[in-house]
Amino acid sequence: AQTVTQSQPEMSVQEAETVTLSCTYDTSESDYYLFWYKQPPSRQMILVIRQEAYKQQNATENRFSVNFQKAAKSFSLKISDSQLGDAAMYFCAYRSSSSGTYKYIFGTGTRLKVLA
Amino acid sequence: DSGVTQTPKHLITATGQRVTLRCSPRSGDLSVYWYQQSLDQGLQFLIQYYNGEERAKGNILERFSAQQFPDLHSELNLSSLELGDSALYFCASSRRGSGELFFGEGSRLTVL
Repeated sequence: AQTVTQSQPEMSVQEAETVTLSCTYDTSESDYYLFWYKQPPSRQMILVIRQEAYKQQNATENRFSVNFQKAAKSFSLKISDSQLGDAAMYFCAYRSSSSGTYKYIFGTGTRLKVLA
Repeated sequence: DSGVTQTPKHLITATGQRVTLRCSPRSGDLSVYWYQQSLDQGLQFLIQYYNGEERAKGNILERFSAQQFPDLHSELNLSSLELGDSALYFCASSRRGSGELFFGEGSRLTVL
């Protein structure tokens, strides 16, 4: 069975600095999706970035980028020029691409604090 | 706005009662997922429907049930409610090719 592990329950970063959130996963499949979702205090779930496993190029979205290491089954999120609005819970998620049940597996989350 | 609509946004009820949470997926999305999130916890997968059929079951209690209707909206029924059922219940939908889940704003259930 697939698993997603976020080993950092909480992280802190100074405003304008860079922070990296870690995520590892376990799967025997070769084709899948990986995601980072952000949950601010409003508790709305917001997609930050997604990565398709067959794409070697790391996804980027403005100040957010990932370091996708398929062989190591690692999918870390880098936030550059951190802003106060980045303070939130961040969830890493996995989804198989094979046909059938598209089950999404979420990690336990990392709470990011941004210090002014 | 994700395009996923959940009602009600807030619900307060008493132990032993029954409630129904409703979800309308994004236009064109056939899959609907339900998740439970207790305070400061992660997302617990409850159940998934695809085009009216149950596709996957997670940690869903026997007191809970769900269904997806022909118009693709879904309802999550919670009965014999206990204090521990107080949580934020998310509905999410997805499209076959795009991959990502789109979440509604959640229904916040408080059981007193």
